Amino acid sequence: GIQVEQSPPDLILQEGANSTLRCNFSDSVNNLQWFHQNPWGQLINLFYIPSGTKQNGRLSATTVATERYSLLYISSSQTTDSGVYFCAVAPGGNNRLAFGKGNQVVVIP
Amino acid sequence: DSGVTQTPKHLITATGQRVTLRCSPRSGDLSVYWYQQSLDQGLQFLIQYYNGEERAKGNILERFSAQQFPDLHSELNLSSLELGDSALYFCASTRTSGRTDTQYFGPGTRLTVL
Repeated sequence: GIQVEQSPPDLILQEGANSTLRCNFSDSVNNLQWFHQNPWGQLINLFYIPSGTKQNGRLSATTVATERYSLLYISSSQTTDSGVYFCAVAPGGNNRLAFGKGNQVVVIP
Repeated sequence: DSGVTQTPKHLITATGQRVTLRCSPRSGDLSVYWYQQSLDQGLQFLIQYYNGEERAKGNILERFSAQQFPDLHSELNLSSLELGDSALYFCASTRTSGRTDTQYFGPGTRLTVL
């Protein structure tokens, strides 16, 4: 099946810092989503972004489908940004999401 | 709030038992997906239903089964439970069964098997 690799696995940020999370995938995809899993376990949908660039407040994401990677940018990080960020993709032909192992982000005040 | 609801939030049971997890999709969504998040396997797709019919199967054990009812809610049945079945179970829903729909996830059911 499709492989999804996220880096870095762990990240500690000072509040106010910026960061970039990366997701590489091994095959062409029709669906790519970024999620934030908060400390209570909830999976919050951040972006649906199989290609192109989107922004939502302090978060933005870019997917370069031809090169099989996606980036999630966090600017001016806040403690509420702590948690695990997951990239999930669905290869052509179905909508079954395959998840990466996540980026564990800790923002310290 | 994604609009997807799951009950119960927490479930504690013993090995060998059977449990049922329930999911109600967002209003208007016809497709339901089940995922399992465990420490060993991470997040993995289990099964998809669309308008009452099974559409796709992933790494779902034979001890597990699911169905989607006419009112579009779905249930995931887990039987002969083992310690390794302890996990967070999510359901997600989409408007269609298509490949390009955003999946919205419910809050999950945390299952603990003792």
